[in-house]
Amino acid sequence: KAGVTQTPRYLIKTRGQQVTLSCSPISGHRSVSWYQQTPGQGLQFLFEYFSETQRNKGNFPGRFSGRQFSNSRSEMNVSTLELGDSALYLCASSLRQGADGYTFGSGTRLTVV
Amino acid sequence: DQQVKQNSPSLSVQEGRISILNCDYTNSMFDYFLWYKKYPAEGPTFLISISSIKDKNEDGRFTVFLNKSAKHLSLHIVPSQPGDSAVYFCAARGDNFNKFYFGSGTKLNVKP
Repeated sequence: KAGVTQTPRYLIKTRGQQVTLSCSPISGHRSVSWYQQTPGQGLQFLFEYFSETQRNKGNFPGRFSGRQFSNSRSEMNVSTLELGDSALYLCASSLRQGADGYTFGSGTRLTVV
Repeated sequence: DQQVKQNSPSLSVQEGRISILNCDYTNSMFDYFLWYKKYPAEGPTFLISISSIKDKNEDGRFTVFLNKSAKHLSLHIVPSQPGDSAVYFCAARGDNFNKFYFGSGTKLNVKP
């Protein structure tokens, strides 16, 4: 059974650019959540999607957005990149909302220069 | 505002001894707690969980203890092995059941 797949694994962008990250959940999982990991800050919740609808949102600026497609695949977009956006972005899937836990992907390492 | 805190960024333990990782939380409405382990260049993997109706859950070498009055949970690894060296995150499920709050992680180093 394939796990959670995130692409690309690594990305280098310039300040002011925008970026799109992709996440394919485990087959049958309908909930996808996104987290940002930075040193010393742990995993900060970005948003959760379920059935193509954003169900929950963390405390990030509007430059961070996402969407979910009918096949449960999800994309996350960050516009007008800032140096502070450099982080590991993790996608996690679960069968349903309020599940007992997540299965995480390996993440996309974004570096903004 | 950090609702889940892991105050020890790192911990070093000798192989065969006990590792104790601690986690504190602020919201008494949290109802479900998990521990994840993360190796470099990989996503976190689920380790063990505990519901707020219990105070202990055991799975092999791993035991999680929950003290609701103190809003504190801990993960015990006995005996510790070099392969346990990783970053450990604790997480708590929010009262809206949709969101997990994660701590900042503790890097465990088990020395052979």
